[in-house]
Amino acid sequence: DIVMTQSPDSLAVSLGERATINCKSSQSVLYSSNNKNYLAWYQQKPGQPPKLLFYWASTRESGVPDRFSGSGSGTDFTLTISSLQAEDVAVYYCQQYYSAPYSFGQGTELEIK
Amino acid sequence: EVQLVGSGGGLLQPGGSLRLSCSASGFTFSSYAMTWVRQAPGKGLEWVSGITGSGGGTYYADSVKGRFTISRDNSKNTLYLQMNSLRAEDTAVYHCAKAVETNWYFDLWGRGTLVTVSS
Repeated sequence: DIVMTQSPDSLAVSLGERATINCKSSQSVLYSSNNKNYLAWYQQKPGQPPKLLFYWASTRESGVPDRFSGSGSGTDFTLTISSLQAEDVAVYYCQQYYSAPYSFGQGTELEIK
Repeated sequence: EVQLVGSGGGLLQPGGSLRLSCSASGFTFSSYAMTWVRQAPGKGLEWVSGITGSGGGTYYADSVKGRFTISRDNSKNTLYLQMNSLRAEDTAVYHCAKAVETNWYFDLWGRGTLVTVSS
């Protein structure tokens, strides 16, 4: 089974500053036949279900602000918020969909400093 | 409106059984794989089970294998999770979610239904 590990567990960033969340998989989620990384990112705000932000590691879901970006390949991935806004306070999760069980990272709680 | 609405949660004792339902609307339900993801109180997301659009393929986390059964009725646009031999550690909000084509990432989520297992 693939284990997903995020860092840090929590993060406090000032408004307008950059926030960076890391995600590492225990084995590569890059499928060689199509050169795609089977990695998604989600945002979850209190009392709400998760919301898809990125898939294929860096493809932004429709409606996601462009201050959000996803990057990485193989086993190491990053979610970056270029200029933190108050509405970005949430818990962020990565998820691999390379192979079942389709595991999530433990989550990173993002707060305002 | 495109949405998923989960139901069936409740309070029950260890060893009990429960069936969750997830009603889908606004999209061609049979065309998409579906999944259950749970979240224990104050904890992160845990993928539980998934089923292909036809229902011919099912997948489970090790933590529920042999106790939970996922199924779907495409004529009723409804996803199910039959949960048997429930344990305290199964206490969680159970979300249903829609997969994207044949890929197991999830672009539509239901609000979830709370299952509490306690004596």
